[in-house]
Amino acid sequence: GNSVTQMEGPVTLSEEAFLTINCTYTATGYPSLFWYVQYPGEGLQLLLKATKADDKGSNKGFEATYRKETTSFHLEKGSVQVSDSAVYFCAFAMDSNYQLIWGAGTKLIIKP
Amino acid sequence: DAGVIQSPRHEVTEMGQEVTLRCKPISGHDYLFWYRQTMMRGLELLIYFNNNVPIDDSGMPEDRFSAKMPNASFSTLKIQPSEPRDSAVYFCASSANGNYEQFFGPGTRLTVL
Repeated sequence: GNSVTQMEGPVTLSEEAFLTINCTYTATGYPSLFWYVQYPGEGLQLLLKATKADDKGSNKGFEATYRKETTSFHLEKGSVQVSDSAVYFCAFAMDSNYQLIWGAGTKLIIKP
Repeated sequence: DAGVIQSPRHEVTEMGQEVTLRCKPISGHDYLFWYRQTMMRGLELLIYFNNNVPIDDSGMPEDRFSAKMPNASFSTLKIQPSEPRDSAVYFCASSANGNYEQFFGPGTRLTVL
């Protein structure tokens, strides 16, 4: 069935370190892919998205590339800040179905 | 735009009481989703509506849970009777037809004693 597998957290990094959070998906067809971020005490908000193979989504210094051959959508950032501490969710949606399939979330902790 | 509005933000109640959570989606959005988030189970989709009609309620945990959407600008999630294991953060989200992006409200933190 459809599913998303994310790197298990928490991920703890020092400020200015390079970040990668892995995400792979299992889906029939070609879904649209998303990364959402949840800051403490808040709801989820869209961070970036990609709708077709080889598309790169980017926002706030974060990037992720839609890799159809490896069914992956890994999140990266070159230099993290303390303010990036949050929980990151990978998700996808299939055509004609507006329900999102969610990963378990990865908690990111950035230490000064 | 005010975004998705949820009320109350916090609710503390005793086991056996009825709890009603409220949501106002973004104006013009056709889809409304109710989620539950806990440490143990993560983010779970409970039910979603399209044009005020429930499409999939397979995530509703049991008959104690019910959801309604009487019009395009209001939805409720009711738990009756509530139990301690219902303690969680409940989120409402909405999206527009043709756009998969979901906009989340701030959530309601429910504590059942």
